[in-house]
Amino acid sequence: EMQLLESGGGLAQPGGSLRLSCEVSGFTFSAHAMGWVRQAPGKGLDFVSVISSSGDIPHYADSVRGRFTISRDNSRDTLFLQMSSLRAEDTAIYYCAKKKEAVPDYFDFWGQGTLVIVSS
Amino acid sequence: DIQMTQSPSSLSASVGDRVTITCRASQDSDRWVGWYQQKPGKAPKSLMYGASSLETGVPSRFSGSGSGTDFSLTISNLQPEDFATYYCQQYHCFPPTFGGGTKVEFK
Repeated sequence: EMQLLESGGGLAQPGGSLRLSCEVSGFTFSAHAMGWVRQAPGKGLDFVSVISSSGDIPHYADSVRGRFTISRDNSRDTLFLQMSSLRAEDTAIYYCAKKKEAVPDYFDFWGQGTLVIVSS
Repeated sequence: DIQMTQSPSSLSASVGDRVTITCRASQDSDRWVGWYQQKPGKAPKSLMYGASSLETGVPSRFSGSGSGTDFSLTISNLQPEDFATYYCQQYHCFPPTFGGGTKVEFK
């Protein structure tokens, strides 16, 4: 059974940092691009970042470029999102998602999410 | 960025109804559109990609159509488990963008 388990969310101060992790099981992690999508409380879905299967090609939404870094460790089947210079508007549930093979930037399986709150 | 505009933002329906949700892209998105279902407190679930290709395990009462800028998701014979919020997403151009969502509520 495919599973994506996010962790690392919590309360951070404006300007602070957090590192999110997503441990996966049930599929060949190293064969799939992965991404992060967020959802502010009561709002819709918002793309954050995606990374290639090998980890050498990251892409970011303009709103987070230069502040967030996506990475992965294929030996540990784990995806990461290092978030720095956090702002109140980064407050959201952050979902880890698996990109569907051969379909660009469409996510066919999602984790349950981890909540990030940015507040003083 | 391509803007995706969904309508209606919410609708009320009964079990057995046929409902249609539309999504309009601000630019040509070919058929590179997907749909997701989200229930309260849960992660989104992928329903279909390529405008009309159902994900494995998705009931055939769900169907999609469209190309270019106009897309639709239809649920025929609405079931109790279908009451949820639905999102469209384009992935024709980077960054991928989502519609604002359509909440399907019980009448």
